[in-house]
Amino acid sequence: TQLLEQSPQFLSIQEGENLTVYCNSSSVFSSLQWYRQEPGEGPVLLVTVVTGGEVKKLKRLTFQFGDARKDSSLHITAAQPGDTGLYLCAGVEAGGTSYGKLTFGQGTILTVHP
Amino acid sequence: GAVVSQHPSWVICKSGTSVKIECRSLDFQATTMFWYRQFPKQSLMLMATSNEGSKATYEQGVEKDKFLINHASLTLSTLTVTSAHPEDSSFYICSGRGPYEQYFGPGTRLTVT
Repeated sequence: TQLLEQSPQFLSIQEGENLTVYCNSSSVFSSLQWYRQEPGEGPVLLVTVVTGGEVKKLKRLTFQFGDARKDSSLHITAAQPGDTGLYLCAGVEAGGTSYGKLTFGQGTILTVHP
Repeated sequence: GAVVSQHPSWVICKSGTSVKIECRSLDFQATTMFWYRQFPKQSLMLMATSNEGSKATYEQGVEKDKFLINHASLTLSTLTVTSAHPEDSSFYICSGRGPYEQYFGPGTRLTVT
């Protein structure tokens, strides 16, 4: 069973459309990160959320952490072809002694067509 | 942000040979480093957690005798894939645990022929 369920796994949209990616779990996380990865490169951190109910904005990207710290969402407004990539959520389980081990969701492959 | 490098960035080897991948934290000390593997269009799968000066902790299903990890200093961890087979072909990514987050390397593409 996947600890972090990320959906959808694939998303193909037209430039200018909005989209939301979800990350859900039955576990509580002390922090949750969103990454973007290009083919052949390592993941690049977009944001870290730590407080339940927290909302962070990064230009056209809005990240939300659920009140119970079990889920998160990434919303992109007016998507552009440059947003194309693999988006990953990852979290550190609360209360663990795991040296900050990250658990990753399955990833969302986003393709934005011009 | 902090920088993590990996070497080599890609490697092709013959079946049965061993390959060593290096992961270096360039501007911070990483007491803990993590090794992941990633198949095409899939997420990262944690293989092992490496702590400086001690044995690595492997995730369930990862063969510790096949994937040898050494973390001899605060800035260097190595992953050696022993007796590599074509099914070991993958993208291997390391990360170093910094003071606020994990910093990921650029990855190493391993192809076993």
